Formats: sequence, structure tokens, C-alpha cells
Amino acid sequence: GNSVTQMEGPVTLSEEAFLTINCTYTATGYPSLFWYVQYPGEGLQLLLKATKADDKGSNKGFEATYRKETTSFHLEKGSVQVSDSAVYFCALKSNTGKLIFGQGTTLQVKP
Amino acid sequence: DVKVTQSSRYLVKRTGEKVFLECVQDMDHENMFWYRQDPGLGLRLIYFSYDVKMKEKGDIPEGYSVSREKKERFSLILESASTNQTSMYLCASMDRGFRSNQPQHFGDGTRLSIL
Repeated sequence: GNSVTQMEGPVTLSEEAFLTINCTYTATGYPSLFWYVQYPGEGLQLLLKATKADDKGSNKGFEATYRKETTSFHLEKGSVQVSDSAVYFCALKSNTGKLIFGQGTTLQVKP
Repeated sequence: DVKVTQSSRYLVKRTGEKVFLECVQDMDHENMFWYRQDPGLGLRLIYFSYDVKMKEKGDIPEGYSVSREKKERFSLILESASTNQTSMYLCASMDRGFRSNQPQHFGDGTRLSIL
């Protein structure tokens, strides 16, 4: 079946450090892939998406590339800020139309 | 901007009560969803609706029901609340076809405690 696996958190970084949050997926067909972010006390917001192999999604300095050969969609940012502290969810949209979420990765950025 | 509004941020109810969680969206979206969010489990889909009066079971529908009498409103009902339904509940809406690549837009969540 369809599933998403994210690296376990929490991830703690100093400000301006490089961020990678790993995400791999299992799916039939050609799913679309998403990263959502949840800031404290809020709902989820779409951060970026990619709809086909080799697409790169980007937003607010974050990037992720749809890698079909490794079934991965890792999230990266070159220089994190304290304001990036949040929970990050990787998700895929399966051929049934449902969104399948990973378990979430908590990022804490210290000044 | 799309706005998805959930009626309560925090709610405390007792075991056995019938509980209603309300969600309203202002963008005329066809599709609406209810999820629950639990630590280490991510988001799990309870029910969704792709049109007025239409509903489909998600992955964990047991103990829940839904109602969509108007396009903008999607209600989640806990028929007889139990302590294992203590959780964060998130509502979402999405434009166009259910299988399209449109993103889902989320409300801020209702943190429900069942005592």
C-alpha cells in the first residue's frame, strides 16, 4: 500500500545551519508529493509540492526534489532561522486521491 | 486567501457524550476532510466529502460520523465519546476534483479532551 516515512525528530539546529529532513515513500503509480508545515498552535500550511519525477518544489528558501529512482522527497534549507521552528510533514497524494502523511518531524532552531 | 474555520480551539467533554465539531470554509470548495493528529502517527483521515450530502469513510471512521448539509460546512460527530478519542482534530478543504494536485487548506485545529 501507500506510505510515507520521515526521519524521526526532534531535529535541533543552531541558527544559519543547513537543514535536511529525509522523506521516502512507497506508492503505486505516480503520486504527487507535498511538504506541509505546522507552526505552534496552528493548522498545517502547504510549504511546497512536486507533481512529477525530477520536479523541484521551492518556497521560503526550502527546496525538495522528487526522486523517483530513490522514492524520496527530502526537504532542505541552506540557512535556518529561529522562525522555522515547527513540525514538518511529508505527504503523498495517491491515485485514490487521498493524502497520506508521514508522522511529522519537529524542528527546533536555537539562536 | 482560503479560510477554514473550526468552531472551537479547545473542547473538554465527558465519556458517553455526543460531541459535534464544526468546520466552515469560505472558498466554495467541493472537497472537505476531517483528520485526527496524534504524536508519532501523523495525520489520519477520518471522513471526507466531495459534495453536499456526500460522504466517504477514511482510514479510521469507527466511532465517528459526519454531516454535510451545505457546501461550506462539514461537521464531525462523535456519537458516544470515549477517552481514546482525545486528540487534535483538523479540518481541511480542497478545490476542484478529488484526484487533482490542488493542495488541501487546513483549519487551526480543535484540541478535544474526553474525560
